[in-house]
Amino acid sequence: GQQLNQSPQSMFIQEGEDVSMNCTSSSIFNTWLWYKQDPGEGPVLLIALYKAGELTSNGRLTAQFGITRKDSFLNISASIPSDVGIYFCAGQGSGTYKYIFGTGTRLKVLA
Amino acid sequence: EPEVTQTPSHQVTQMGQEVILRCVPISNHLYFYWYRQILGQKVEFLVSFYNNEISEKSEIFDDQFSVERPDGSNFTLKIRSTKLEDSAMYFCASSGQGNTEAFFGQGTRLTVV
Repeated sequence: GQQLNQSPQSMFIQEGEDVSMNCTSSSIFNTWLWYKQDPGEGPVLLIALYKAGELTSNGRLTAQFGITRKDSFLNISASIPSDVGIYFCAGQGSGTYKYIFGTGTRLKVLA
Repeated sequence: EPEVTQTPSHQVTQMGQEVILRCVPISNHLYFYWYRQILGQKVEFLVSFYNNEISEKSEIFDDQFSVERPDGSNFTLKIRSTKLEDSAMYFCASSGQGNTEAFFGQGTRLTVV
């Protein structure tokens, strides 16, 4: 079945640093969503991408829909302690209602 | 801001018992979903529901599971005879016209003992 692999699996960074993570698949997707999940909470939608090559920002977050439609990238600039959490990508393919979630990137920020 | 709400937040049940997890999706949304997340793992798709019927389901969503939209606001997931491995966080989600952005509830933690 479809699988989304995220890398890195986890990362420790210093407060103020920029963060990059990505999500790759062997399948093509028409929509990419990026979520953040805090412990014991539901995923919170950060950014939605609808077109290959699209670059979208939400505050310090910037995400891109890869040209091949098989990947997506999320960058966080000038990280702060509240950026700590697990970041998930989710892709929606053609002719389907469901979103497939990635394996997640766990981010820890050292003050 | 509109949000998806789920009840209860935590449910403990004995193996073999039936449970019903409840969700109130965002009011003008048309597409509804259930996902689950076993502790420490990724979020897994269970089922999608549109136009009063199941539109898609995963292999996890076997005969023990069912969904219902009993009225204009609630969306429920029933597990008929719970197993230990059903212990997980269950998330409800909904999306609007065009089925683009999916918004998730806070989840129900189901513990089967």
